[in-house]
Amino acid sequence: DIQMTQSPSTLSASVGDRVTITCRASQTISYWLAWYQQKPGKAPRLLIYKASTLESGVPSRFSGSGSGTEFSLTISSLQPDDFAIYYCQQYAGYPITFGGGTKVEIK
Amino acid sequence: EVQVVESGGGLVQPEGSLRLSCEASGFSFTSYWMSWFRQAPGKGLEWVANIKQDASDKRYADSVKGRFTISRDNGKNSVFLQMNSLRGEDTAVYYCARYPVSGPADYWGQGTLVTVSS
Repeated sequence: DIQMTQSPSTLSASVGDRVTITCRASQTISYWLAWYQQKPGKAPRLLIYKASTLESGVPSRFSGSGSGTEFSLTISSLQPDDFAIYYCQQYAGYPITFGGGTKVEIK
Repeated sequence: EVQVVESGGGLVQPEGSLRLSCEASGFSFTSYWMSWFRQAPGKGLEWVANIKQDASDKRYADSVKGRFTISRDNGKNSVFLQMNSLRGEDTAVYYCARYPVSGPADYWGQGTLVTVSS
């Protein structure tokens, strides 16, 4: 199975900050990497797929990069609505696997 | 508008069975794989199963293989998850999601809670 390792597990930041979350795959997954945002009591929301393609309707302050085994999600200017948990997911092969999540909280 | 709505969750005893349903609307159901994911209380996301458009291909997480069965009824735009031999570790919110051919899951339902306890 492909293991996905996210860091940090918790990130404290202020509105307006630039934040970056990283995700590492245990083996190469090309660009088959997605990022999801989840708020308490809600379903995950797809933000980015194919490592860097923004899902329709997602604000442009979100961006993704990377390929192979190293990936990152960047929020260019953190907004109040962005405080949530973020998960990376590989879908290069089965089983589909997720990172452990990064909680972005208010500093 | 794409919608995915789960139902069928509830309290079940260990070793019991439960069948989850998911009704989809707002898109061409027969053009998509469909998925089930789950999230245990306070924990991260876990993929459970996928089913191909014509049900000719089904994939399962090792944690549920042999106990859970995914199926679909294209005439009713619905996907199901039959869960047998349930264990305490199966307690979770179960999400149904649309899964484009090349992935990833893009539209998720709001989830249905399954609690396995005596």
